Amino acid sequence: DAKTTQPPSMDCAEGRAANLPCNHSTISGNEYVYWYRQIHSQGPQYIIHGLKNNETNEMASLIITEDRKSSTLILPHATLRDTAVYYCIVRAPNAGNEKLTFGTGTRLTIIP
Amino acid sequence: GAVVSQHPSWVICKSGTSVKIECRSLDFQATTMFWYRQFPKQSLMLMATSNEGSKATYEQGVEKDKFLINHASLTLSTLTVTSAHPEDSSFYICSALRDTGTYGYTFGSGTRLTVV
Repeated sequence: DAKTTQPPSMDCAEGRAANLPCNHSTISGNEYVYWYRQIHSQGPQYIIHGLKNNETNEMASLIITEDRKSSTLILPHATLRDTAVYYCIVRAPNAGNEKLTFGTGTRLTIIP
Repeated sequence: GAVVSQHPSWVICKSGTSVKIECRSLDFQATTMFWYRQFPKQSLMLMATSNEGSKATYEQGVEKDKFLINHASLTLSTLTVTSAHPEDSSFYICSALRDTGTYGYTFGSGTRLTVV
């Protein structure tokens, strides 16, 4: 069963903030939210992860709702190079189940 | 840090031959590596989990005799596609799990296999 739900596609104008939502209503207390992206014909790239606090790094910000049932990945100033498929994944690190299962993700297209 | 090198990036082989794909963690040790397959316009599908020094664990529907996995060291896992057929043409991606912390997984750049 899918543990996350994401819109299949989104467009965003270049230079604007891209906000990618993810629903994970069945997330467990020890599960983190991870975001990866895959640019065409490349391996997935780690973006950011978080447990319950909002996180920011040089690539993006992650906003997790207080009830942890959903989150939003924010790319503050989208560029054409941000066009990719973005995957939201929940996982409990060091919990014995090491598999990383990908859903269908959101295909983000940055429009010039 | 956390670099995974996958080689080759693309390969074309004749039907019936075997192809080996290498996955190396360059700056960390990985007791666990994963192999995925991705068909056009589809998501990544986990094929198997590779554990250093032990047999790989295959996902349901993946033929272990066809997709041979060897994880002989903490930095190298190999996937051999034996007796390849055109339907095995796909994008194969490896991933290595870092041993510590919550950082998670690092992925290789993928191998495009075309069987003719």
